[in-house]
Amino acid sequence: GQSLEQPSEVTAVEGAIVQINCTYQTSGFYGLSWYQQHDGGAPTFLSYNALDGLEETGRFSSFLSRSDSYGYLLLQELQMKDSASYFCAVTGYGGATNKLIFGTGTLLAVQP
Amino acid sequence: NAGVTQTPKFQVLKTGQSMTLQCAQDMNHNSMYWYRQDPGMGLRLIYYSASEGTTDKGEVPNGYNVSRLNKREFSLRLESAAPSQTSVYFCASSEEPADSDTQYFGPGTRLTVL
Repeated sequence: GQSLEQPSEVTAVEGAIVQINCTYQTSGFYGLSWYQQHDGGAPTFLSYNALDGLEETGRFSSFLSRSDSYGYLLLQELQMKDSASYFCAVTGYGGATNKLIFGTGTLLAVQP
Repeated sequence: NAGVTQTPKFQVLKTGQSMTLQCAQDMNHNSMYWYRQDPGMGLRLIYYSASEGTTDKGEVPNGYNVSRLNKREFSLRLESAAPSQTSVYFCASSEEPADSDTQYFGPGTRLTVL
């Protein structure tokens, strides 16, 4: 089976940097994705790592280490609007299509 | 483009009633998905469709059926609703093959079964 573990909650202050970790157990996967979800709204795609290493997209960066079964999302220059839930997800081998397996999510609270 | 749309936004059912959740996408994507999200949890895949005319089970398919009506539309049916199916249901679509595996989600349907 496949499982992904994330911290349930993280708190940080505006302007700071925060790292949200994701450890996984899976037999094999294409890549690791990160999604953001505000207050029960639609999840939106943030970042994807197909290969080991760091991917940078503006204030957000994501990292993957397959040898350590570990990844993280790094948010810099935190803003109040970054308060949301963040989910890591692996793209598993799904036959004719790719299936996402989601972690349980991390609720990020940004304080002034 | 509207992206992914879902109807209804909210629904209350009594145990044993049936209903169909509708989903449509205007991005010409081949793959479509149905997820459920329970409080404090991640999304779990119910069913997916790689292309028009094909559907496959995900992690939690019991109690649900799906229909890929055409390339745009993918519906989820609850034949006999149970309180355990109280959840938020999200539809998503993606382009296949997709290196980035980005899935685009609809706004969700909040379903309560009494």
